[in-house]
Amino acid sequence: QSALTQPPSASGSPGHSVTISCTGTSSDVGGYDYVSWFQQHPGKAPKLIIYDVNKRPSGVPDRFSGSKSGNTASLTVSGLQAEDEADYYCSSYAGGNVFGTGTKVTVL
Amino acid sequence: EVQLVQSGPEVKKPGESLRISCRGSGYTFTNNWITWVRQMPGKGLEWMGWIDPSDSYTNYSPSFHGHVTFSVDKSITTAYLQWSSLKASDTAVYYCARRVETYFDYWGQGTLVTVSS
Repeated sequence: QSALTQPPSASGSPGHSVTISCTGTSSDVGGYDYVSWFQQHPGKAPKLIIYDVNKRPSGVPDRFSGSKSGNTASLTVSGLQAEDEADYYCSSYAGGNVFGTGTKVTVL
Repeated sequence: EVQLVQSGPEVKKPGESLRISCRGSGYTFTNNWITWVRQMPGKGLEWMGWIDPSDSYTNYSPSFHGHVTFSVDKSITTAYLQWSSLKASDTAVYYCARRVETYFDYWGQGTLVTVSS
């Protein structure tokens, strides 16, 4: 399976919003409501922030939200904070699993 | 508290074998599959496959099938990732993570494997 396509970078000012897209195919993103999103700070393990398209694990702020339309999923981070600066990866079930190419979010 | 604790960094030569570990605690180890993920230096996450600790059923990504082996020892709630002949291109950080139905909720801290002559 090919990696899901994400923009290499995204940025926003503190307090503003940023949206990251994740494009796959009907065999992964479009075929299942099983898209997850992970946040990874430098030198750290990934952290689950969204699962099953739009569900948040306990402890994840509601500033993080997910959605999906067709073969494209999206992650929106509202009210950007300095600590949101990190790499973000989408992931989809596809029989096995496939990750996105990753997006570096910069807080200006 | 659910924890996945991985073994420490490794430095190996090409052609050598290696086994790294991932010990689960704070939950019933056989209830959740363990997945392995590679992250090469400065690159993104790559799914390698997963293993069901209850019966050692495995599903490997085609990209890794035949080059790595997953195993578990239920008695010590530990999963393993093994290579029989390392290559320089295996240099990466390897993560284990717990699979809950359709997603990975807890991750190990990662194991850095360096393969260099």
